[in-house]
Amino acid sequence: DIQMTQSPSSVSASVGDRVTITCRASQGIRSWLAWYQQKPGKAPNVLIYAASTLQSGVPSRFSGSGSGTDFTLTISSLQPEDFATYYCQQAHSFPLTFGGGTKVEIK
Amino acid sequence: EVQLVESGGGLVQPGGSLRLSCAASGFTFSRHAMTWVRQAPGKGLEWVSAISGIGENRYHADSVKGRFTISRDNSKNTLYLQISSLRAEDTAVYYCAKGIVDSGNYYHFDYWGQGTLVTVSS
Repeated sequence: DIQMTQSPSSVSASVGDRVTITCRASQGIRSWLAWYQQKPGKAPNVLIYAASTLQSGVPSRFSGSGSGTDFTLTISSLQPEDFATYYCQQAHSFPLTFGGGTKVEIK
Repeated sequence: EVQLVESGGGLVQPGGSLRLSCAASGFTFSRHAMTWVRQAPGKGLEWVSAISGIGENRYHADSVKGRFTISRDNSKNTLYLQISSLRAEDTAVYYCAKGIVDSGNYYHFDYWGQGTLVTVSS
């Protein structure tokens, strides 16, 4: 099984900050990576898929990069509505796997 | 407008069974892979099962293999998860979700249902 390791597990940041979250796969997954945002009590919402493709309707302050084993989600200027938990997910092979999550908190 | 509406959750005793349903609308159901993902209280996301667009490929996590079965009825635009031999650790909100790309075998997911809670307890 492919293990997905996210870091950090939590980050405290202020509105306007640049935030970077990383996801490392235990083996190469090419570009088969998605990023999701989840707010408490709500279903996840896809931000990025295929490592760097911005989902329709998602603000351009979100961007994704990477391929192989190392991936990054960047929020260029954190907004109040971005405080949430973020998950990566690989779709290279089954079983599909999610990272453990990164909670972005208000500083 | 794409909608996914789960139903069928509830309180069940250990060893019991349930069938979860996910009614889909607003897109060509048979052209998209579908999945079930669960989230235990206060925990992260755990992938459970997935099925290709026309149902020819089905996949299950090791933790549920032999106990859970995913299926779909494309004539009814409905996804199912038959769950049996339930354990306390199966307690979670179960979400259904739709594959982003209409290739039938694309397993990143855009639309998600609101979730249905399964509680396993005596």
